[in-house]
Amino acid sequence: DVKVTQSSRYLVKRTGEKVFLECVQDMDHENMFWYRQDPGLGLRLIYFSYDVKMKEKGDIPEGYSVSREKKERFSLILESASTNQTSMYLCASSLEVAGGRRTDTQYFGPGTRLTVL
Amino acid sequence: AQSVSQHNHHVILSEAASLELGCNYSYGGTVNLFWYVQYPGQHLQLLLKYFSGDPLVKGIKGFEAEFIKSKFSFNLRKPSVQWSDTAEYFCAVNAGEYGNKLVFGAGTILRVKS
Repeated sequence: DVKVTQSSRYLVKRTGEKVFLECVQDMDHENMFWYRQDPGLGLRLIYFSYDVKMKEKGDIPEGYSVSREKKERFSLILESASTNQTSMYLCASSLEVAGGRRTDTQYFGPGTRLTVL
Repeated sequence: AQSVSQHNHHVILSEAASLELGCNYSYGGTVNLFWYVQYPGQHLQLLLKYFSGDPLVKGIKGFEAEFIKSKFSFNLRKPSVQWSDTAEYFCAVNAGEYGNKLVFGAGTILRVKS
């Protein structure tokens, strides 16, 4: 079974703090993704990575950055946390198919509920 | 712009009732289609997916979905729901021009009354 783990289930930070969210997958997947999940908005893609050291912006990248130094690990960084970044953050991974032109099933971690005060 | 629409945000059903959750997308080309489910307190997990072939797809726990290309739809169905189907359901689309990105609908919260 694919396993995607996230470093924290719950996190409380103060406005202006730098926040690191870590994600690790154990199935040698090429693709990794960071989403935020908000009620009534579904999942929105923040950033994704299709290879080590490669990253692409998703739909809502503002205020976030990412790092992928190893294939199994994908980090989301909030450079200066703000209250509007209070949300559930989900990490996912998937195999690459069709030379990167498609995604196969994405496997999700348990999520990190971040509260910024 | 790319979009996925789920018609109902909240659905309440009694046990044994039939379920149909609507999903429409706005891409004209080849698509891969997914339904994910998130049970209370659990990970988001795959319910079923459509890549090609038979447009009627069967998934886990008795769920099925039908891809109707002419209607840009991928509705989820279950003939008889159980209390344990209480969850949030998300439709997601992978469109060719967007590579390996998924676009999710806003989700439908299903509550099944026992």
